[in-house]
Amino acid sequence: GAVVSQHPSWVICKSGTSVKIECRSLDFQATTMFWYRQFPKQSLMLMATSNEGSKATYEQGVEKDKFLINHASLTLSTLTVTSAHPEDSSFYICSTFSGQGRNQPQHFGDGTRLSIL
Amino acid sequence: QQQVKQSPQSLIVQKGGISIINCAYENTAFDYFPWYQQFPGKGPALLIAIRPDVSEKKEGRFTISFNKSAKQFSLHIMDSQPGDSATYFCAAGNFNKFYFGSGTKLNVKP
Repeated sequence: GAVVSQHPSWVICKSGTSVKIECRSLDFQATTMFWYRQFPKQSLMLMATSNEGSKATYEQGVEKDKFLINHASLTLSTLTVTSAHPEDSSFYICSTFSGQGRNQPQHFGDGTRLSIL
Repeated sequence: QQQVKQSPQSLIVQKGGISIINCAYENTAFDYFPWYQQFPGKGPALLIAIRPDVSEKKEGRFTISFNKSAKQFSLHIMDSQPGDSATYFCAAGNFNKFYFGSGTKLNVKP
């Protein structure tokens, strides 16, 4: 069964709206979660690393004020796309590792398709 | 700089044939090389992974071949089935931070 639950799976909203995406780890605690963005027919681009109880680490070129990440508990990380515009339309995917140590299996959520009108 | 290069972009194989997808990486510090399978509208799912201390790993119909000196690795899908039709991503990295290839869309014809 799924080890990472992502919600919602699809969002359509007007330009200027802020959208929150939730990522939950099921049956285990995730101190670190990763947020990716995927454009059609392209690869996954790491946006940021979410750390429980501390600030997220953003990849170069990702606006931290645009993409707000909160990791308030060991099972929940949220990504908020603030004042979304059509260029923010994309497939957003979260992931985490279910074990400790290096090179553990990485589990992905089913993604959130965000469409900004 | 693109850390992981993947080819081909798309692949059509007849049922029962062998599908081969290739990846090359840049950073010699990478020590874990997973492959993911992604169906439309879903997140990627781990298929098989290899560490650089072995040259080959096989799990069922899926085999990874790894060439450390060339910094290349490939996925072979034996006896390809229509249900294998999906997008495949290679990845490389270490310390749980990974870079993904651009993906290969595989279509297995019945």
